[in-house]
Amino acid sequence: DTGVSQDPRHKITKRGQNVTFRCDPISEHNRLYWYRQTLGQGPEFLTYFQNEAQLEKSRLLSDRFSAERPKGSFSTLEIQRTEQGDSAMYLCASSLALWGPYEQYFGPGTRLTVT
Amino acid sequence: QQQVKQSPQSLIVQKGGISIINCAYENTAFDYFPWYQQFPGKGPALLIAIRPDVSEKKEGRFTISFNKSAKQFSLHIMDSQPGDSATYFCAASRGYGQNFVFGPGTRLSVLP
Repeated sequence: DTGVSQDPRHKITKRGQNVTFRCDPISEHNRLYWYRQTLGQGPEFLTYFQNEAQLEKSRLLSDRFSAERPKGSFSTLEIQRTEQGDSAMYLCASSLALWGPYEQYFGPGTRLTVT
Repeated sequence: QQQVKQSPQSLIVQKGGISIINCAYENTAFDYFPWYQQFPGKGPALLIAIRPDVSEKKEGRFTISFNKSAKQFSLHIMDSQPGDSATYFCAASRGYGQNFVFGPGTRLSVLP
């Protein structure tokens, strides 16, 4: 399967703990996006990378959130000192942003539950 | 101005019927409008997309109609099937490679 993959698929953690999620984009896709989706809502943009550079961050991305894409391939999203409000599906998407294509392809998501 | 509005919130259609979902936006800088389909526990999957230079795009049973002056676009699913039962999201972006702004979603149920 050459689609976007995310790990883990599910994570249950206690309030105050740190968690880290991984996203592997489609091979050769240079853009990688993180979104958050709460139940019954559409995905909300968090941040995106072009290669290893983080180009934009949403106001939703508080100081407790940090994302990296160290070699321009996979990315990690870390949440420090988790809160119950962080419970959501965290989605990763990738695209090949050259002169034209806009399409973003999503992974299956990581479901985070903070107890 | 960054919002994308979507209606209805939920939709029930008989098998073989036409499902219609509508979206509206305010930001005239948006220039790409995709529709995504999402099944429970899965990530959104790209269904069909349109640019503002065309008024309609059809792919199989799925058609996007786009009204630039009204800043509205809609998804039509012809001959709806029970397998189409999912949540549908419209989205918009401004410029290539930019992040998407999603609508709140429409839960479609197609009755057999």
